[in-house]
Amino acid sequence: GAGVSQTPSNKVTEKGKYVELRCDPISGHTALYWYRQSLGQGPEFLIYFQGTGAADDSGLPNDRFFAVRPEGSVSTLKIQRTERGDSAVYLCASSLGAIWGETQYFGPGTRLLVL
Amino acid sequence: QKEVEQDPGPLSVPEGAIVSLNCTYSNSAFQYFMWYRQYSRKGPELLMYTYSSGNKEDGRFTAQVDKSSKYISLFIRDSQPSDSATYLCAMSGRGTGNQFYFGTGTSLTVIP
Repeated sequence: GAGVSQTPSNKVTEKGKYVELRCDPISGHTALYWYRQSLGQGPEFLIYFQGTGAADDSGLPNDRFFAVRPEGSVSTLKIQRTERGDSAVYLCASSLGAIWGETQYFGPGTRLLVL
Repeated sequence: QKEVEQDPGPLSVPEGAIVSLNCTYSNSAFQYFMWYRQYSRKGPELLMYTYSSGNKEDGRFTAQVDKSSKYISLFIRDSQPSDSATYLCAMSGRGTGNQFYFGTGTSLTVIP
């Protein structure tokens, strides 16, 4: 079956612009996660959804970052007034449920470059 | 201090060698320990999953967890050029949230 898909695969934008990154989880997975991976670093948690609601957004760095999952499937990560420091790979993962330690399956990521 | 520490390498070994990758952690609440493999410009792919202490073997891969030392390891036997990738340890536990905490990753190159 299909894995987690993310679009676009690459995004180049200018400082100050708005961007949207999309994640399509594995069908039937109720939990969805966003992580950010900077060069030479491991993924760092941003936000987690259980169904349509954000269950934990403690990893969002500031209020320029926002994410939605209106129908409990596809999610969009939105970044306003982008800064050069936002350049990173944004990874999405999904899991069947929200049990502690449940396996998370990752998408290929969106590479964001802010010029 | 980061919750999970991992030597970033890079590590370069000849084909057929045994590779040892390690992570240490500070949070005693971690109970679930994972190893992910990440090829260049790809997303992390789950390789091994271990709950609590002990060993788990899957083909050429063995994962070890020592909770008393807060130390986990991944061994790769008979390493192949196709094993060349970055290996990320990840962990989580009750009370730590549903997120995974990752190490920085170790870059491995297996030379034919």
